[in-house]
Amino acid sequence: SAVISQKPSRDICQRGTSLTIQCQVDSQVTMMFWYRQQPGQSLTLIATANQGSEATYESGFVIDKFPISRPNLTFSTLTVSNMSPEDSSIYLCSATTGNTEAFFGQGTRLTVV
Amino acid sequence: AQSVAQPEDQVNVAEGNPLTVKCTYSVSGNPYLFWYVQYPNRGLQFLLKYITGDNLVKGSYGFEAEFNKSQTSFHLKKPTALVSDSALYFCAVRDLGNFNKFYFGSGTKLNVKP
Repeated sequence: SAVISQKPSRDICQRGTSLTIQCQVDSQVTMMFWYRQQPGQSLTLIATANQGSEATYESGFVIDKFPISRPNLTFSTLTVSNMSPEDSSIYLCSATTGNTEAFFGQGTRLTVV
Repeated sequence: AQSVAQPEDQVNVAEGNPLTVKCTYSVSGNPYLFWYVQYPNRGLQFLLKYITGDNLVKGSYGFEAEFNKSQTSFHLKKPTALVSDSALYFCAVRDLGNFNKFYFGSGTKLNVKP
């Protein structure tokens, strides 16, 4: 299994600013994903973080709003840009290797005021 | 496209009774199915998976799930519910033909009452 450290665990941000969330895995993984989740709701996939190339975004999510980096096989960042209150949510990092299950970080609870 | 559905938003059971959380799937090809649990203010924790083999899969914390191909179901079960099992449960499917993405059901809140 893989252990995923995600930080910050929570933050309160002013609208119009940006927040970068970091995701560190304790071992090399094949795939890394970023999700958004409203409390008590299901997970919505934002994008797949590709090592050494641009992330692959799901419908409704764009790079200008959610730039993602993945410089190596164990680390990724998600930036929430030009934030508005509608961006308030829980952001989750996930990773997997081969055909195994996905592992998750503890999540970042973001509140935009 | 691969998908899973959880028909119940909430399941209520008494402690000591058996519990079932339902999941149905729609996939092309062989399904890779998973169950996760989420406690308040925490990330998702893996419970169990079905890739191939026995239809009854055993996982963490005494949970098990039965894969039923004819009914396209993958229900989560536990013989004896505990109050500490109260949490949000997600069924998920892995789409091997689409960059190995995971797709999650809507979630089922399990309430175990003492």
